[in-house]
Amino acid sequence: AQKITQTQPGMFVQEKEAVTLDCTYDTSDPSYGLFWYKQPSSGEMIFLIYQGSYDQQNATEGRYSLNFQKARKSANLVISASQLGDSAMYFCAMRESVPSGSARQLTFGSGTQLTVLP
Amino acid sequence: DSGVTQTPKHLITATGQRVTLRCSPRSGDLSVYWYQQSLDQGLQFLIHYYNGEERAKGNILERFSAQQFPDLHSELNLSSLELGDSALYFCASSASRNNEQFFGPGTRLTVL
Repeated sequence: AQKITQTQPGMFVQEKEAVTLDCTYDTSDPSYGLFWYKQPSSGEMIFLIYQGSYDQQNATEGRYSLNFQKARKSANLVISASQLGDSAMYFCAMRESVPSGSARQLTFGSGTQLTVLP
Repeated sequence: DSGVTQTPKHLITATGQRVTLRCSPRSGDLSVYWYQQSLDQGLQFLIHYYNGEERAKGNILERFSAQQFPDLHSELNLSSLELGDSALYFCASSASRNNEQFFGPGTRLTVL
Protein backbone atom coordinates (compact mmCIF):
# COMPACT_ATOMS: atom_id res chain seq x y z
CA ALA A 1 0.00 0.00 0.00
CA GLN A 2 1.09 3.54 -0.67
CA LYS A 3 2.38 5.20 2.45
CA ILE A 4 1.37 8.68 1.33
CA THR A 5 -1.53 9.29 -1.02
CA GLN A 6 -2.35 12.57 -2.67
CA THR A 7 -5.44 11.98 -4.77
CA GLN A 8 -5.58 15.38 -6.47
CA PRO A 9 -3.07 15.59 -9.33
CA GLY A 10 -4.22 19.14 -10.05
CA MET A 11 -6.26 21.81 -8.30
CA PHE A 12 -7.45 25.27 -9.28
CA VAL A 13 -8.36 28.05 -6.89
CA GLN A 14 -9.38 31.65 -7.35
CA GLU A 15 -7.03 34.26 -5.94
CA LYS A 16 -7.88 35.25 -2.34
CA GLU A 17 -9.91 32.10 -1.74
CA ALA A 18 -8.96 29.19 0.49
CA VAL A 19 -7.98 25.77 -0.84
CA THR A 20 -7.51 22.37 0.75
CA LEU A 21 -4.97 19.88 -0.57
CA ASP A 22 -5.64 16.31 0.50
CA CYS A 23 -3.16 13.87 1.96
CA THR A 24 -3.76 10.48 3.52
CA TYR A 25 -1.09 8.28 5.00
CA ASP A 26 -0.60 4.73 6.10
CA THR A 27 1.57 3.72 9.01
CA SER A 28 1.47 1.42 12.00
CA ASP A 29 4.08 3.47 13.79
CA PRO A 30 2.60 5.36 16.77
CA SER A 31 5.22 8.12 16.45
CA TYR A 32 5.53 9.86 13.12
CA GLY A 33 5.72 13.29 11.55
CA LEU A 34 3.88 14.78 8.63
CA PHE A 35 5.28 17.51 6.43
CA TRP A 36 4.20 19.66 3.54
CA TYR A 37 6.62 21.03 0.98
CA LYS A 38 6.08 23.44 -1.90
CA GLN A 39 7.94 23.06 -5.17
CA PRO A 40 7.60 26.05 -7.52
CA SER A 41 8.44 25.74 -11.19
CA SER A 42 12.01 26.78 -10.38
CA GLY A 43 12.42 23.39 -8.73
CA GLU A 44 13.46 24.05 -5.15
CA MET A 45 11.68 22.29 -2.28
CA ILE A 46 10.37 24.70 0.33
CA PHE A 47 9.35 23.44 3.78
CA LEU A 48 5.92 24.74 4.76
CA ILE A 49 4.57 23.06 7.84
CA TYR A 50 5.06 20.12 10.22
CA GLN A 51 2.66 18.08 12.37
CA GLY A 52 3.79 15.50 14.90
CA SER A 53 1.60 12.51 15.56
CA TYR A 54 1.36 13.38 19.25
CA ASP A 55 0.64 17.05 18.73
CA GLN A 56 -2.71 17.91 20.23
CA GLN A 57 -3.34 20.96 18.11
CA ASN A 58 -3.30 21.39 14.36
CA ALA A 59 -0.15 23.08 13.09
CA THR A 60 -0.35 26.56 11.61
CA GLU A 61 2.25 28.70 9.86
CA GLY A 62 0.95 31.98 8.56
CA ARG A 63 -1.54 31.26 5.77
CA TYR A 64 -0.84 27.53 5.99
CA SER A 65 -2.62 25.21 8.37
CA LEU A 66 -2.67 21.48 8.62
CA ASN A 67 -5.99 19.75 9.21
CA PHE A 68 -4.79 16.67 11.08
CA GLN A 69 -7.35 13.91 11.58
CA LYS A 70 -5.42 11.08 13.20
CA ALA A 71 -8.20 8.51 13.23
CA ARG A 72 -8.79 9.02 9.53
CA LYS A 73 -5.03 9.17 8.86
CA SER A 74 -5.34 12.39 6.96
CA ALA A 75 -3.20 15.51 7.01
CA ASN A 76 -4.72 18.01 4.64
CA LEU A 77 -3.03 21.32 3.91
CA VAL A 78 -5.22 24.40 3.98
CA ILE A 79 -3.97 27.54 2.27
CA SER A 80 -5.99 30.59 3.13
CA ALA A 81 -6.26 33.75 1.00
CA SER A 82 -4.49 32.19 -2.00
CA GLN A 83 -1.98 34.29 -3.89
CA LEU A 84 -0.69 33.96 -7.43
CA GLY A 85 2.69 33.01 -5.98
CA ASP A 86 1.12 29.95 -4.37
CA SER A 87 0.93 28.28 -7.78
CA ALA A 88 3.26 25.31 -7.41
CA MET A 89 3.46 21.59 -6.80
CA TYR A 90 2.73 20.62 -3.21
CA PHE A 91 4.06 17.45 -1.63
CA CYS A 92 2.91 15.73 1.52
CA ALA A 93 5.59 13.65 3.26
CA MET A 94 5.85 11.40 6.27
CA ARG A 95 8.70 10.54 8.57
CA GLU A 96 8.28 7.38 10.60
CA SER A 97 10.10 6.57 13.79
CA VAL A 98 12.65 3.79 13.63
CA PRO A 99 14.93 2.22 16.23
CA SER A 100 17.44 4.56 17.74
CA GLY A 101 20.50 5.15 15.60
CA SER A 102 18.71 4.76 12.31
CA ALA A 103 17.73 7.35 9.78
CA ARG A 104 14.40 9.08 9.49
CA GLN A 105 14.01 9.76 5.86
CA LEU A 106 10.92 11.26 4.30
CA THR A 107 8.45 9.33 2.19
CA PHE A 108 6.70 11.59 -0.30
CA GLY A 109 3.34 11.53 -2.00
CA SER A 110 2.98 12.09 -5.73
CA GLY A 111 2.12 15.75 -5.31
CA THR A 112 -0.70 18.13 -6.21
CA GLN A 113 -0.20 20.85 -8.80
CA LEU A 114 -1.99 23.96 -7.54
CA THR A 115 -2.86 26.75 -9.92
CA VAL A 116 -4.10 30.05 -8.52
CA LEU A 117 -6.28 31.95 -10.98
CA PRO A 118 -6.37 35.76 -11.05
CA ASP B 1 17.13 30.37 0.88
CA SER B 2 17.25 27.17 2.92
CA GLY B 3 20.96 27.48 3.71
CA VAL B 4 21.71 24.19 1.95
CA THR B 5 23.90 24.55 -1.13
CA GLN B 6 24.28 22.16 -4.01
CA THR B 7 26.65 22.24 -6.95
CA PRO B 8 26.46 22.12 -9.84
CA LYS B 9 22.97 23.40 -10.59
CA HIS B 10 22.87 21.67 -13.96
CA LEU B 11 24.88 18.78 -15.32
CA ILE B 12 24.72 17.32 -18.81
CA THR B 13 26.69 14.21 -19.55
CA ALA B 14 26.69 11.09 -21.67
CA THR B 15 25.76 7.51 -20.93
CA GLY B 16 28.50 5.52 -19.27
CA GLN B 17 30.06 8.54 -17.62
CA ARG B 18 30.60 9.27 -13.94
CA VAL B 19 29.60 12.46 -12.12
CA THR B 20 29.87 13.84 -8.60
CA LEU B 21 27.21 16.00 -7.01
CA ARG B 22 28.15 18.10 -4.02
CA CYS B 23 26.10 19.27 -1.07
CA SER B 24 26.89 21.59 1.83
CA PRO B 25 24.38 21.34 4.68
CA ARG B 26 23.12 24.23 6.79
CA SER B 27 25.61 25.38 9.37
CA GLY B 28 25.51 23.00 12.32
CA ASP B 29 23.34 20.34 10.67
CA LEU B 30 24.82 16.89 11.08
CA SER B 31 22.37 14.94 8.92
CA VAL B 32 22.48 14.91 5.13
CA TYR B 33 19.88 13.13 3.04
CA TRP B 34 19.95 12.55 -0.71
CA TYR B 35 16.76 12.26 -2.76
CA GLN B 36 16.09 11.67 -6.43
CA GLN B 37 13.13 13.21 -8.21
CA SER B 38 12.23 11.73 -11.57
CA LEU B 39 9.07 11.88 -13.65
CA ASP B 40 8.31 8.18 -13.37
CA GLN B 41 9.45 7.48 -9.79
CA GLY B 42 8.60 10.74 -8.06
CA LEU B 43 10.66 11.78 -5.04
CA GLN B 44 12.64 8.90 -3.60
CA PHE B 45 15.05 8.67 -0.71
CA LEU B 46 18.50 7.48 -1.68
CA ILE B 47 20.80 7.61 1.34
CA HIS B 48 21.34 9.30 4.71
CA TYR B 49 24.54 10.29 6.46
CA TYR B 50 24.85 11.49 10.01
CA ASN B 51 28.08 13.09 11.17
CA GLY B 52 30.13 11.19 8.62
CA GLU B 53 28.48 7.81 9.03
CA GLU B 54 26.05 6.15 6.67
CA ARG B 55 22.78 5.60 8.54
CA ALA B 56 20.32 4.29 5.97
CA LYS B 57 19.97 3.39 2.34
CA GLY B 58 16.83 3.70 0.31
CA ASN B 59 16.32 2.97 -3.37
CA ILE B 60 19.93 3.66 -4.26
CA LEU B 61 21.47 1.78 -7.14
CA GLU B 62 24.77 -0.03 -6.71
CA ARG B 63 26.24 2.31 -9.33
CA PHE B 64 25.60 5.19 -6.92
CA SER B 65 27.58 5.91 -3.79
CA ALA B 66 27.91 8.75 -1.34
CA GLN B 67 30.04 9.98 1.50
CA GLN B 68 30.04 12.71 4.10
CA PHE B 69 33.30 14.39 4.91
CA PRO B 70 34.64 15.68 8.26
CA ASP B 71 33.49 19.21 7.38
CA LEU B 72 30.01 17.67 6.93
CA HIS B 73 29.68 18.33 3.22
CA SER B 74 28.51 15.37 1.22
CA GLU B 75 29.07 14.04 -2.27
CA LEU B 76 26.89 11.73 -4.31
CA ASN B 77 28.76 9.78 -6.96
CA LEU B 78 26.87 8.39 -9.92
CA SER B 79 28.71 6.06 -12.27
CA SER B 80 28.00 4.12 -15.47
CA LEU B 81 25.23 6.59 -16.10
CA GLU B 82 22.13 5.54 -17.98
CA LEU B 83 19.41 7.59 -19.64
CA GLY B 84 17.08 6.71 -16.80
CA ASP B 85 19.36 8.41 -14.28
CA SER B 86 18.29 11.78 -15.63
CA ALA B 87 16.57 13.44 -12.70
CA LEU B 88 16.67 16.21 -10.15
CA TYR B 89 18.88 15.25 -7.24
CA PHE B 90 18.22 16.93 -3.93
CA CYS B 91 20.25 17.09 -0.82
CA ALA B 92 18.52 17.92 2.47
CA SER B 93 19.93 18.58 5.89
CA SER B 94 18.54 18.58 9.39
CA ALA B 95 19.90 19.32 12.83
CA SER B 96 18.84 15.98 14.20
CA ARG B 97 16.69 13.04 13.23
CA ASN B 98 13.64 14.67 14.72
CA ASN B 99 13.87 17.97 12.92
CA GLU B 100 12.44 19.08 9.63
CA GLN B 101 14.63 18.64 6.60
CA PHE B 102 15.68 21.66 4.59
CA PHE B 103 16.32 21.06 0.93
CA GLY B 104 18.98 22.45 -1.32
CA PRO B 105 18.11 23.86 -4.75
CA GLY B 106 18.88 20.53 -6.43
CA THR B 107 21.16 19.41 -9.23
CA ARG B 108 19.43 18.69 -12.50
CA LEU B 109 21.23 15.81 -14.21
CA THR B 110 20.64 15.12 -17.87
CA VAL B 111 22.16 11.99 -19.36
CA LEU B 112 22.27 12.00 -23.16
